[in-house]
Amino acid sequence: KAGVTQTPRYLIKTRGQQVTLSCSPISGHRSVSWYQQTPGQGLQFLFEYFSETQRNKGNFPGRFSGRQFSNSRSEMNVSTLELGDSALYLCASSPRGGGWRYGYTFGSGTRLTVV
Amino acid sequence: TQLLEQSPQFLSIQEGENLTVYCNSSSVFSSLQWYRQEPGEGPVLLVTVVTGGEVKKLKRLTFQFGDARKDSSLHITAAQPGDTGLYLCAGYMNYGGSQGNLIFGKGTKLSVKP
Repeated sequence: KAGVTQTPRYLIKTRGQQVTLSCSPISGHRSVSWYQQTPGQGLQFLFEYFSETQRNKGNFPGRFSGRQFSNSRSEMNVSTLELGDSALYLCASSPRGGGWRYGYTFGSGTRLTVV
Repeated sequence: TQLLEQSPQFLSIQEGENLTVYCNSSSVFSSLQWYRQEPGEGPVLLVTVVTGGEVKKLKRLTFQFGDARKDSSLHITAAQPGDTGLYLCAGYMNYGGSQGNLIFGKGTKLSVKP
C-alpha cells in the first residue's frame, strides 16, 4: 500500500513569489491535514480537508490556503512568500473520522526555502 | 504559550540505559499520540492512547496516558542506538462535531550512543 506522497521534496523560492505544494494521501483516506514544521515553533496545524471541504483551520494568515480534489489529493498554496515561511511542510492522511483514534500517516514533507 | 509541554528537550544517553519522556498539558485531549521523526522525514506513528490511565507496550517502549487525559509519558527500556530520533507527543483537541486537530509538543531529541 503506497504511503502519503508529497511533491516536490525541495523548493527554493524568492520573497514575494507564490508556491503550490501537492499531497496524495493513502488510497482510501479521505482526510488530509497540513502542518508547518520549523525549529522554533515545532509542528503547527495549518488546515484539514475532508471530502473536498475545509473542516478545520489553524491560526495562519490568509496567504496560506488549500484545497482538496475529488480523488482526495490536496494542494496547499502560499502567496506572497516571506522569509519566515521557510519550513518543512508536512501532509498527513487518515481514514474517515479515524485520525483521533488510529493516528495519522505523514508524508516525507516538502522543504521550502524562501530567499 | 505552548499547549503541550514536552520534556526533556534533549537527551543523550549510553546504550542500555533507561529513559522517560514526559508530555504535560492543562487541557484534556481526546487522545494522545506519540510519533518518532528521523531527519528529513515525516513523523511516524508509534502509538495512540485513548482512555485515561491506559498503558500500551511496544517491545521496549511503554506509553501511559494520565488518568485525567492531560498528560502522557514514554518510557524506553535498555535504549539502543536505533532508538535515536526526535520523539513527538501530540494531543488530539476536539472542538466539537467533526472539528479537531493534533496539537504537537516541541519534541525530545534523543541520542543513544553505542
